Amino acid sequence: EAGVTQFPSHSVIEKGQTVTLRCDPISGHDNLYWYRRVMGKEIKFLLHFVKESKQDESGMPNNRFLAERTGGTYSTLKVQPAELEDSGVYFCASSQDRQGAREQYFGPGTRLTVT
Amino acid sequence: EDQVTQSPEALRLQEGESSSLNCSYTVSGLRGLFWYRQDPGKGPEFLFTLYSAGEEKEKERLKATLTKKESFLHITAPKPEDSATYLCAVPSYGGSQGNLIFGKGTKLSVKP
Repeated sequence: EAGVTQFPSHSVIEKGQTVTLRCDPISGHDNLYWYRRVMGKEIKFLLHFVKESKQDESGMPNNRFLAERTGGTYSTLKVQPAELEDSGVYFCASSQDRQGAREQYFGPGTRLTVT
Repeated sequence: EDQVTQSPEALRLQEGESSSLNCSYTVSGLRGLFWYRQDPGKGPEFLFTLYSAGEEKEKERLKATLTKKESFLHITAPKPEDSATYLCAVPSYGGSQGNLIFGKGTKLSVKP
């Protein structure tokens, strides 16, 4: 069974540019999550999809971040325009349980560097 | 405010030297406590879920325990391949159950 995959693995962009991160969850997992780890800090929740609906987007930092999950399969996270403080590792996770309380399986992350 | 604190930040052990990692949590209503292992350049890998005080779970050389205020990850006779960062997380009380609050982790190094 394939795990959670993320693309790209690493992205370097300039301040003001746009970047789109992609996440493919484990097949059959209705729940999809985005997290971010800024250097030196803990992993922080961004949002939670159940199929194509946003269940909880309380962790999205501002309106420069847009997450979508059309069709309830893969998800994209767009940052537009990127700022220096957006640098970090963006993780995607998925889980099968409807409530999202069971184990979440994480992807390898996308390391975003904004210069 | 929901919070997770892990200690120590880093731990160096000799192979075979048993020890414990601590995870203290403050959350209005506990809906589970999760332990993850993270290797450099990879995403967190699920280890255990604990739901109630007194619960214990084991996997190879690891045993996780839970009280009303904290969880311990006991490592018995560790090997170099156990070297990793161990993360603890709890669901946010105000958010969805998938909204996990993570601690900063304990970086474990096991020397042969």
